[in-house]
Amino acid sequence: DAGVIQSPRHEVTEMGQEVTLRCKPISGHDYLFWYRQTMMRGLELLIYFNNNVPIDDSGMPEDRFSAKMPNASFSTLKIQPSEPRDSAVYFCASGERQASPQHFGDGTRLSIL
Amino acid sequence: GIQVEQSPPDLILQEGANSTLRCNFSDSVNNLQWFHQNPWGQLINLFYIPSGTKQNGRLSATTVATERYSLLYISSSQTTDSGVYFCAGPRYNNNDMRFGAGTRLTVKP
Repeated sequence: DAGVIQSPRHEVTEMGQEVTLRCKPISGHDYLFWYRQTMMRGLELLIYFNNNVPIDDSGMPEDRFSAKMPNASFSTLKIQPSEPRDSAVYFCASGERQASPQHFGDGTRLSIL
Repeated sequence: GIQVEQSPPDLILQEGANSTLRCNFSDSVNNLQWFHQNPWGQLINLFYIPSGTKQNGRLSATTVATERYSLLYISSSQTTDSGVYFCAGPRYNNNDMRFGAGTRLTVKP
């Protein structure tokens, strides 16, 4: 079975541009999570969805960040406008149910110049 | 929020050695998990272990939920075990996963 699929793998863009990261969870998984990893702050949960509904977005750093899940097989994380401090690796993960293992995609390495 | 402490922060082993990694939580946790981040940055789920002991090949994990800690054992380490090991867990009945800072393991041939 295919794992969690993220795109793009790498993104380099200039400050002020809009960035859209994409994620396809494992089929049949009800939970989808977006994380960010930086050297300073480690791995942080940004937002998670249950059955396409955002449940907790308290980790989203500010209003420039938004996430959507229009259907069970697709989610986006958008940054507008982007800033250099947004540079990080962004991971998407999915889980079958509330108490179950989380499986991560390979991440998107984002660099904002 | 819940605090997650991992020890040791760094560990260097000779191939074939055994090791124990520890994870302490400041509050009750459910859904505790161990992950390995390989040198290519991929995060692999090793164990989902809210309590008890599980084994998978040379790796095993034990969680003592009442005492708020979990241990990851690596036996007969191999160079491919190198990377960073993270534990993570949410507050009870919550998916707000909190990750520790990780243990960076280097296995030398």
